[in-house]
Amino acid sequence: TQLLEQSPQFLSIQEGENLTVYCNSSSVFSSLQWYRQEPGEGPVLLVTVVTGGEVKKLKRLTFQFGDARKDSSLHITAAQPGDTGLYLCAGDRGTYKYIFGTGTRLKVLA
Amino acid sequence: DAGVTQSPTHLIKTRGQQVTLRCSPKSGHDTVSWYQQALGQGPQFIFQYYEEEERQRGNFPDRFSGHQFPNYSSELNVNALLLGDSALYLCASSRSGNQETQYFGPGTRLLVL
Repeated sequence: TQLLEQSPQFLSIQEGENLTVYCNSSSVFSSLQWYRQEPGEGPVLLVTVVTGGEVKKLKRLTFQFGDARKDSSLHITAAQPGDTGLYLCAGDRGTYKYIFGTGTRLKVLA
Repeated sequence: DAGVTQSPTHLIKTRGQQVTLRCSPKSGHDTVSWYQQALGQGPQFIFQYYEEEERQRGNFPDRFSGHQFPNYSSELNVNALLLGDSALYLCASSRSGNQETQYFGPGTRLLVL
């Protein structure tokens, strides 16, 4: 059973476009994280959100945690080829035993 | 300051064999977690080690075992390998008291034939 579903699974867009990736669950999480993983490397932590309704911005990336702490979204403004990678959300239910989502593979074309 | 390192980078084994993977955590980190990432999937939590003991475990059979040494480095052992064990094995380290910030190593890619 996959507790965290991400959508879309794949996304191919042109440089300069905006996009949103979703991470949904029927379970409540204490915190939720977003990672980016590039081929041949481990995931790199982008952000941790802990409060329902919380919004965090990291340059062109905006992360939101749902009010009920069951879902999250990642919005990228004016995507660049360097944003290409696998985006993963990961939830924690207070035990630091992170449950990862299915991943969204993003490709930004120049 | 070296980040998380893992060895070997790639490994090929046959069914039924045993394998040992190694991880050195980031300097100053005392907690090591292991994950299995199958092709096209997100990582799945195997277990976590702290103070040389397994502190938490995911939904993996007993064929998966581990160890943490006094210098905080860790090993993942898998016995009686199955074809389905083929995956990228990731190690992540963190500092107790700041466990939400995990740093991942590059992983060991295991292929079981």
